Amino acid sequence: DAKTTQPTSMDCAEGRAANLPCNHSTISGNEYVYWYRQIHSQGPQYIIHGLKNNETNEMASLIITEDRKSSTLILPHATLRDTAVYYCIVLGVGGSNYKLTFGKGTLLTVNP
Amino acid sequence: DTEVTQTPKHLVMGMTNKKSLKCEQHMGHRAMYWYKQKAKKPPELMFVYSYEKLSINESVPSRFSPECPNSSLLNLHLHALQPEDSALYLCASSQVGGGKGQPQHFGDGTRLSIL
Repeated sequence: DAKTTQPTSMDCAEGRAANLPCNHSTISGNEYVYWYRQIHSQGPQYIIHGLKNNETNEMASLIITEDRKSSTLILPHATLRDTAVYYCIVLGVGGSNYKLTFGKGTLLTVNP
Repeated sequence: DTEVTQTPKHLVMGMTNKKSLKCEQHMGHRAMYWYKQKAKKPPELMFVYSYEKLSINESVPSRFSPECPNSSLLNLHLHALQPEDSALYLCASSQVGGGKGQPQHFGDGTRLSIL
């Protein structure tokens, strides 16, 4: 599975959009981009995933560049409860479908 | 609240004890996972069960013994653990494959301390 690169930490003001970048320049055609987050003392929480097209759900939007080498997770109106470590993971379907490999992630701190 | 329930939430045990961690889900998922997370580190995969059969063992020491008695339950039996095994143990579940990318859903973990 392709490796990802994320900033170590980011800050965001409450109520503003949080844009979390992820580079995955070695991604291959059948690999999905997944985003999870982990709030302190909780298990990881699935946020969103995508293959080629941009995706949106009730939690966030995922923007994937046309060449698929990078993506951005957007939390449209960040709240204090969004403070967490955000993990970007690239995962192929098929034989390695089950192996989520977490990197160090980005610590997002939402400030009042 | 998560749809994957792990018990107990906290466990303290001695190195000679035998204990078990339990995980339960009722989402109809047929893949279940155990992860280990040390403090300030990301989760690391330990085991994967698919259709109640062990499909991946990430070279985990034999003092950790997983069991999947049915499609809703996953256990992790612990015996003769070492202090360095103190960690948060996370369970997850997902649909199996399908080529569409199936997200994993996690419980909140069992925090294990070995004395």
